[in-house]
Amino acid sequence: DVKVTQSSRYLVKRTGEKVFLECVQDMDHENMFWYRQDPGLGLRLIYFSYDVKMKEKGDIPEGYSVSREKKERFSLILESASTNQTSMYLCASSDQGGRNIQYFGAGTRLSVL
Amino acid sequence: LAKTTQPISMDSYEGQEVNITCSHNNIATNDYITWYQQFPSQGPRFIIQGYKTKVTNEVASLFIPADRKSSTLSLPRVSLSDTAVYYCLVGRGSQGNLIFGKGTKLSVKP
Repeated sequence: DVKVTQSSRYLVKRTGEKVFLECVQDMDHENMFWYRQDPGLGLRLIYFSYDVKMKEKGDIPEGYSVSREKKERFSLILESASTNQTSMYLCASSDQGGRNIQYFGAGTRLSVL
Repeated sequence: LAKTTQPISMDSYEGQEVNITCSHNNIATNDYITWYQQFPSQGPRFIIQGYKTKVTNEVASLFIPADRKSSTLSLPRVSLSDTAVYYCLVGRGSQGNLIFGKGTKLSVKP
């Protein structure tokens, strides 16, 4: 079974802090994704990566950056956390076969105070 | 980009068949249609995927008409544990054109 592991289930940070959300997958998938999920808005794509050191902006990249130094690891960075970034963050991975089956982690619930 | 439209919510009773329809008028030739299930405080879980006609697995069936502008997820004989949000996704994983609908919240009552 594919396993996507997010480093934290819950995080509480203060406004202005730099925040790192880590995600690791064990299936040698080329593609990795970061989403945020808010009530009434469903899942929204922040960034994705289709290869090491490659990244593409999703629908809502503002206020976020990403890093993919190794194939199995994809990090989401909030350079200066703000209260409107309080959300559930979900990481996913998929292979490049084109069938778009994504495997998700359990999520990180981030609260910015 | 192929956006999707689903009902916001649906109610059902245990033992009934539930059909959730997703509209995707601008689906591209190479796009697959994928459905996910999500329980509270968990990440979405893959249910079923199809390209055209009908696909069936141990969990659900997926019906896709010839024009592929919509699809219907069919859950046979639902139980309370099927209460969840169901997402319809259209696109290809390697190209970034991934669009999640807002999901359909299915409530199954005893």
